[in-house]
Amino acid sequence: EAQVTQNPRYLITVTGKKLTVTCSQNMNHEYMSWYRQDPGLGLRQIYYSMNVEVTDKGDVPEGYKVSRKEKRNFPLILESPSPNQTSLYFCASSLGGQGFNQPQHFGDGTRLSIL
Amino acid sequence: AQTVTQSQPEMSVQEAETVTLSCTYDTSESNYYLFWYKQPPSRQMILVIRQEAYKQQNATENRFSVNFQKAAKSFSLKISDSQLGDTAMYFCAFLIHFGNEKLTFGTGTRLTIIP
Repeated sequence: EAQVTQNPRYLITVTGKKLTVTCSQNMNHEYMSWYRQDPGLGLRQIYYSMNVEVTDKGDVPEGYKVSRKEKRNFPLILESPSPNQTSLYFCASSLGGQGFNQPQHFGDGTRLSIL
Repeated sequence: AQTVTQSQPEMSVQEAETVTLSCTYDTSESNYYLFWYKQPPSRQMILVIRQEAYKQQNATENRFSVNFQKAAKSFSLKISDSQLGDTAMYFCAFLIHFGNEKLTFGTGTRLTIIP
């Protein structure tokens, strides 16, 4: 089954404690992206990757890092989480480039609470 | 920069009735794509329907159809014969298929179907 898998689904942690949210896709997609969803703001892009070792900032990258060492994985790293990073996070992937006719697939979301 | 506006934060309608959700956008691009995503309480992001801007014909998917007015930059979603399972948050989104395939989302409309 084609899917984007995020872990964990829920996480409550404290300010300053480094955390990683994993994202893995099994569709051999080139393009992957992270979004955060906040009430009244919709979803906003954090970082994206157009292929292995190619990453770039989205609209709200401050406080986040990503890496793309393998095509299937695109982890989101919060080196020193702060309460303003409390949010619902989504990973998405797509074929990219000529594969536009295929829709972007979203993971099931990760609810992060930073105390 | 592209912006997407959903002016109806909440709507409700009786089961089996028809409801229309509004979306307007702003862009200087001529070639782009528009989407409606559904987010039920399970918080998954589910693609409902999509429209290529170069196509004049309005997209339809079963009970879901759009009214795409390119000159007015308007992209409304019509749900016919509404069902209880249509209760969800609906997001309008915009994409330029060049480079970063970022989806720009509106702030969402919370739709409740009343039995």
